[in-house]
Amino acid sequence: AQSVTQPDIHITVSEGASLELRCNYSYGATPYLFWYVQSPGQGLQLLLKYFSGDTLVQGIKGFEAEFKRSQSSFNLRKPSVHWSDAAEYFCAVAQNSGGYQKVTFGIGTKLQVIP
Amino acid sequence: NAGVTQTPKFRILKIGQSMTLQCTQDMNHNYMYWYRQDPGMGLKLIYYSVGAGITDKGEVPNGYNVSRSTTEDFPLRLELAAPSQTSVYFCASSRTGPLSGNTIYFGEGSWLTVV
Repeated sequence: AQSVTQPDIHITVSEGASLELRCNYSYGATPYLFWYVQSPGQGLQLLLKYFSGDTLVQGIKGFEAEFKRSQSSFNLRKPSVHWSDAAEYFCAVAQNSGGYQKVTFGIGTKLQVIP
Repeated sequence: NAGVTQTPKFRILKIGQSMTLQCTQDMNHNYMYWYRQDPGMGLKLIYYSVGAGITDKGEVPNGYNVSRSTTEDFPLRLELAAPSQTSVYFCASSRTGPLSGNTIYFGEGSWLTVV
């Protein structure tokens, strides 16, 4: 069965510092991978996705993620964090499961940005 | 741009009561989903639908029912509410399934407390 691990529940970074949020997946075939962001009181918004091709994926709001098959990872990065990036970030993987297209979400990483 | 709209935003239910969470989307999407989000647990799929008249169970369907009489609407029914159903519920939609590369759009969530 597929799974997604986000090892960091909370991360605090200073505004302007770089950010890397970790995501590891467990899946036998080529995974379909996503990063979503959830601002307080809001639904989830897609930041970026990886299906195939270039392993470095660019997303919205200046985020990027790199797919590394050898490490089963899909880490999210941003070179310079803004206060508005404070939110919860979810990594997810999609596959066919039991006849439907299932998306499994990680438990999320809550990002705090300090001045 | 309405997107996915769900109501109510907040609700307190007594044990044993029933209620319906409403969800409507104006993007003519075929796929619709109901997720629940519990702290530290990520999102779990309750039910999904691939088109009007077609629904199926997700990972955690017990205690819930859905219907899809139109493309736009996908209400979630809670029968005999239990404290274990205290959660945040998200409705979502996509043009086709997540393995087709289509973005899943989420509503803003419905906070339900069962006391």
